[in-house]
Amino acid sequence: AQSVTQLDSHVSVSEGTPVLLRCNYSSSYSPSLFWYVQHPNKGLQLLLKYTSAATLVKGINGFEAEFKKSETSFHLTKPSAHMSDAAEYFCVVTPIGTGTALIFGKGTTLSVSS
Amino acid sequence: EPEVTQTPSHQVTQMGQEVILRCVPISNHLYFYWYRQILGQKVEFLVSFYNNEISEKSEIFDDQFSVERPDGSNFTLKIRSTKLEDSAMNFCARSEAHNSPLPFGNGTRLTVT
Repeated sequence: AQSVTQLDSHVSVSEGTPVLLRCNYSSSYSPSLFWYVQHPNKGLQLLLKYTSAATLVKGINGFEAEFKKSETSFHLTKPSAHMSDAAEYFCVVTPIGTGTALIFGKGTTLSVSS
Repeated sequence: EPEVTQTPSHQVTQMGQEVILRCVPISNHLYFYWYRQILGQKVEFLVSFYNNEISEKSEIFDDQFSVERPDGSNFTLKIRSTKLEDSAMNFCARSEAHNSPLPFGNGTRLTVT
């Protein structure tokens, strides 16, 4: 069975400081992992994806995530937060090559203060 | 990849009424999906649709739900008799390959009163 756990429901940072959003996964198969972002009243936008290539994945808007199999983690980071980064972030897992749908974490709300 | 277009952006309906939510994807995509997000909860998979058939559905997708692509372009989600707990943001998505990263539409907010 596949599951994903986002360890923090809410993260608050100051503008210009680093961002860390934590995600742990459980999968019986080699997983594909994604991070999506949802701004208020907007749809879900893909930030980045891991599909068994490089373990450090770079995404849009300066975000990146590192796949660590030994820790079953896929944490999202950004060196310097911007006000526009305030949004809901979802970690998503799906097993490679099988027929199951995307499984979303509960989401982490990122607040950025000036 | 361009996003899909969903209509309406907000639908208000009374309990027991039928609603149809529409999604207009690019016509050459093969896989279509509906997900929903109840306020304050996580995004949940409803159904996937491939080659004009349901390929997978979740426990949420009971007999009250149906999907179709009646004219080869619009992809619709129908709820026959809405319940209060159907109030949610509903997202359509599409892809060329199964389980590839999905661009989602902006969603349809369904409010059942």
